[in-house]
Amino acid sequence: GIQVEQSPPDLILQEGANSTLRCNFSDSVNNLQWFHQNPWGQLINLFYIPSGTKQNGRLSATTVATERYSLLYISSSQTTDSGVYFCAVAAGGGADGLTFGKGTHLIIQP
Amino acid sequence: DGGITQSPKYLFRKEGQNVTLSCEQNLNHDAMYWYRQDPGQGLRLIYYSQIVNDFQKGDIAEGYSVSREKKESFPLTVTSAQKNPTAFYLCASSIERRAEAFFGQGTRLTVV
Repeated sequence: GIQVEQSPPDLILQEGANSTLRCNFSDSVNNLQWFHQNPWGQLINLFYIPSGTKQNGRLSATTVATERYSLLYISSSQTTDSGVYFCAVAAGGGADGLTFGKGTHLIIQP
Repeated sequence: DGGITQSPKYLFRKEGQNVTLSCEQNLNHDAMYWYRQDPGQGLRLIYYSQIVNDFQKGDIAEGYSVSREKKESFPLTVTSAQKNPTAFYLCASSIERRAEAFFGQGTRLTVV
């Protein structure tokens, strides 16, 4: 099946800093999503981005499908940005459902 | 409010018992999914359903069963055959297969 690798696994930053999270995947995809998991476990949808670039406030994402990677940018980090960020993909062929990476654990210190 | 509702939030099970986790959606989505999350890990797919009365095994279906008798409901039963059932279970839905997925708040199952 498709493999999803996220980096870095852990990231500690000061409030106000910028960060880039990376997601590499091993095959062509027709769905790629970025999620933020809050401390209560809820998965919050950030972006649905199988290709191209999107922006939502301080967050933006870019997926280069031909090179099999996606990037999530967080600017001017706030403590509420802390949590785990997941990348998940659905392969072009094979079973339905998303394959998740192991996540990036982001800690924003005041 | 439109959304996905999972119940209960917390569930305790004695060894050897079957338990059923509820997932209901009012988004009129055709596809529904069940995932399992273990501490420090990503989510893994248990079962999915593209349409009423049809469902398919995911990557870790052993010890689980599902039904899809109504479009809005996709309950998951954790059977006694599941050797390590303690985990966080999340239900999701999408308007069609491989479209953007949305998740419920999850159920934390603990075997005591």
